Amino acid sequence: GAVVSQHPSWVICKSGTSVKIECRSLDFQATTMFWYRQFPKQSLMLMATSNEGSKATYEQGVEKDKFLINHASLTLSTLTVTSAHPEDSSFYICSANNEQFFGPGTRLTVL
Amino acid sequence: DQQVKQNSPSLSVQEGRISILNCDYTNSMFDYFLWYKKYPAEGPTFLISISSIKDKNEDGRFTVFLNKSAKHLSLHIVPSQPGDSAVYFCAASVSSGGSNYKLTFGKGTLLTVNP
Repeated sequence: GAVVSQHPSWVICKSGTSVKIECRSLDFQATTMFWYRQFPKQSLMLMATSNEGSKATYEQGVEKDKFLINHASLTLSTLTVTSAHPEDSSFYICSANNEQFFGPGTRLTVL
Repeated sequence: DQQVKQNSPSLSVQEGRISILNCDYTNSMFDYFLWYKKYPAEGPTFLISISSIKDKNEDGRFTVFLNKSAKHLSLHIVPSQPGDSAVYFCAASVSSGGSNYKLTFGKGTLLTVNP
């Protein structure tokens, strides 16, 4: 079946630094990728929809200047958390094209 | 405003018995519903889905029932196995004619199947 990978699987960074998370579709082309965030014991919340070759669409309340999304190819979307703060610590998950295929997630911890 | 609600944070079931996971939604525009299974620190794994034109969909041990008038759906697992122990998320979307759906998730229900 289709596989979506994420890298890194976990990252710890200092407050104020930027962190890039990659989402790749391994055996299919993904014109659209979705980025979700999950806080402990909470549901997955959609942050943005990433479209290949165009600007991402952000959900209400998500700062586009803080969470930069780039979808430069049909197999790769990146989410960059800029000037990360402890409140950005969360589990970030992407899904590609078909809503059935999610990546394994990236655990971000900001100290 | 929680549009998809899973009111039971946890459920404990004996192996071999039926597990029934419930989900309610408030947005009447939702017309496609999905269930996912998730382990800690992993992404969700798709289990089964149902379109609003149906009221039941079955796949092996998993059956999803949809009651549109009540805005309620449920996932039945029969027979339950210890390996089914995980967090189960209900999700809903408004189909846009394409295949790229934005999903709204519930908070999940932790299912524990005891041997």
